[in-house]
Amino acid sequence: EAQVTQNPRYLITVTGKKLTVTCSQNMNHEYMSWYRQDPGLGLRQIYYSMNVEVTDKGDVPEGYKVSRKEKRNFPLILESPSPNQTSLYFCASSPYPGDSNEQFFGPGTRLTVL
Amino acid sequence: GESVGLHLPTLSVQEGDNSIINCAYSNSASDYFIWYKQESGKGPQFIIDIRSNMDKRQGQRVTVLLNKTVKHLSLQIAATQPGDSAVYFCAERRPGGYQKVTFGIGTKLQVIP
Repeated sequence: EAQVTQNPRYLITVTGKKLTVTCSQNMNHEYMSWYRQDPGLGLRQIYYSMNVEVTDKGDVPEGYKVSRKEKRNFPLILESPSPNQTSLYFCASSPYPGDSNEQFFGPGTRLTVL
Repeated sequence: GESVGLHLPTLSVQEGDNSIINCAYSNSASDYFIWYKQESGKGPQFIIDIRSNMDKRQGQRVTVLLNKTVKHLSLQIAATQPGDSAVYFCAERRPGGYQKVTFGIGTKLQVIP
């Protein structure tokens, strides 16, 4: 089944404890993105990647890191999480631009930072 | 999840009626506009997109209208069904890259059986 998977789905952590949220897609997509979703703010793009070893900042990159060492994986790293990073996080992938702008989203990771 | 639906504009529609969800966008230079549907507890799901040089595009039971003069986008859903209950997001693809997408805050659609 073609899909985007994220792990973990739920995570409660404490301020300053480094964490990684994994994202993997099995559709051989070039493009991948990370978004955070907060009530009243919609989805905001954190980082995106156009291919292996090519990443760029989105609208809210502060406090996050990403890497794209393999095409299928795009982990999101929080080196020193803070309570304002409590949010619902989505990873998405999409093929090389063609006739559609469709992004395929993962199921989400709900992160709570205490 | 449920917290995503808080503070959202809500549209309640009777089953079988048509729904119209509106969206205002900000960037005149955006080249594509996209609609997503998000059901409770799930990630957003692509519905339809429209290029900025078009004013109407139809899909299966959905129509998107674009009015660039007033920077307005709408999604029309024909014969609304209970399965259409979700949060709907419009998004604009900004200039400067295929992946530069800005989402709106969303509208919650409630279908009354």
